[in-house]
Amino acid sequence: GDSVTQMEGPVTLSEEAFLTINCTYTATGYPSLFWYVQYPGEGLQLLLKATKADDKGSNKGFEATYRKETTSFHLEKGSVQVSDSAVYFCALSDPYGNNRLAFGKGNQVVVIP
Amino acid sequence: GAVVSQHPSRVICKSGTSVKIECRSLDFQATTMFWYRQFPKQSLMLMATSNEGSKATYEQGVEKDKFLINHASLTLSTLTVTSAHPEDSSFYICSARVGGLNYEQYFGPGTRLTVT
Repeated sequence: GDSVTQMEGPVTLSEEAFLTINCTYTATGYPSLFWYVQYPGEGLQLLLKATKADDKGSNKGFEATYRKETTSFHLEKGSVQVSDSAVYFCALSDPYGNNRLAFGKGNQVVVIP
Repeated sequence: GAVVSQHPSRVICKSGTSVKIECRSLDFQATTMFWYRQFPKQSLMLMATSNEGSKATYEQGVEKDKFLINHASLTLSTLTVTSAHPEDSSFYICSARVGGLNYEQYFGPGTRLTVT
């Protein structure tokens, strides 16, 4: 079935550092791809999405490009802030399965002042 | 806008008892609601999809008689864990969608269930 793989382990970095979180996927067909963010004590929020190959999703300084050739959707931000500390989930939407979402395990990001 | 709440945020119950978790869309009507389960350091796993006024569709491997889902109105869905066991301890998250397949899901903050 469709699945999403995120890099292992939490990510700790200093303020203004460059952030990359890797995400690769396995899917039949042509899924839409998403990044969700979960701040402490809150529900998941959609951060950005891309619906077809070579699309770039962007929001709040974060970007991710839908790479069909490498089946990837890596999340990047050029200069993180302490307020970016959260858990980030990569997900795909199965167009043949009622658009159900399949999630990666999530990555805890901690930004140190 | 598009806020989803869950109640309770945390619950502790004894083995063999049942516990109900509520999911509400506060400022929109949700035609479809989803229930997920999340184990520590694991991804969210979809348990079931429910449409208002109809029976829920359960994912493979999810016991429908154990996890009762009711979507009685366009703003409320409930998940009842019946005859709870310690292995049911988990983080349960709901989401709601306002329209058809191309509409975004909005997530609740989750409910931490501990069965002793």
